[in-house]
Amino acid sequence: QSVLTQPPSASGTPGQRVTISCSGSSSNIGSNYVYWYQQLPGTAPKLLIHSNNQRPSGVPDRFSGSKSGTSASLAISGLRSEDEADYYCAAWDDSLSGRVFGGGTKLTVL
Amino acid sequence: QVRLVQSGSELKKPGASVKVSCKASGYTFTNYAINWVRQAPGQGLEWVGWMNTVADNSAYGQGFTGRFVFSLDTSVSTAYLQISGLKAEDTAVYYCARENPGDYIDHWGQGTLVTVSS
Repeated sequence: QSVLTQPPSASGTPGQRVTISCSGSSSNIGSNYVYWYQQLPGTAPKLLIHSNNQRPSGVPDRFSGSKSGTSASLAISGLRSEDEADYYCAAWDDSLSGRVFGGGTKLTVL
Repeated sequence: QVRLVQSGSELKKPGASVKVSCKASGYTFTNYAINWVRQAPGQGLEWVGWMNTVADNSAYGQGFTGRFVFSLDTSVSTAYLQISGLKAEDTAVYYCARENPGDYIDHWGQGTLVTVSS
C-alpha cells in the first residue's frame, strides 16, 4: 500500500491530452514539493517534473505538473506512442521522515 | 554527463548477503547524496534510504532498518548497498540514484537485479 495514491492505469489516443492524479496528505504533498518520474519498459526511472511543475532540460513541454492542496497532477498533451510507460509521483513525507512514492500509473497509448 | 553504473545481477540463497555497488562519474561525487530505491517484480518504487556522501550519516526507510546498510568509498566515487540475511521477498531491482541539492532524485543508475532463491 503506497503512501501516495495514483490510479493504476490511464489511456489515450495519439494527440490526446491525458492527466494522471496523485493524492497524498498534509505531511507529504500538502507541505512539500511533488516530483514525477517516467519509467519506460525495462529501464530505470527518469525525472520528468521536479518542484511541482518544473521540467528538467530535455523534457518536452508536452509534460506539465501541477499541485493543489494535498493532490498533484501530471498532464501529457499531444500524446505519442513513445509516452507509453509507467509514471510515478513522489514527495518527501515529514511524518515518516522519508521519501514516498505513488504506486505508479501505467499509461497505454491506444 | 552524469552516470551511475551499478554492479551486475546477483543470485543468492536465503540467509546470504549481497553487496551492490554504484559507481558515479561526470560530477563531483561528494557534492550529492545517494539514495537507494527498490522495485520488486511488477511492483512500484520503494525508498530504501539515503546516504550523505560527505558526512557519515544516513537514513533508512520504513522496513529497511537492520539488514540494509549503506557505505561509501569516496576515493573511487562509489556507493554500496549491503543486504544481509536475504529473504525471498528481497528479490527486486535495486537502484542507486543521485539526490539533487534541491532534495530530489535527478539521476538513476541502471538497476541491479537481486534474486533470492534456494
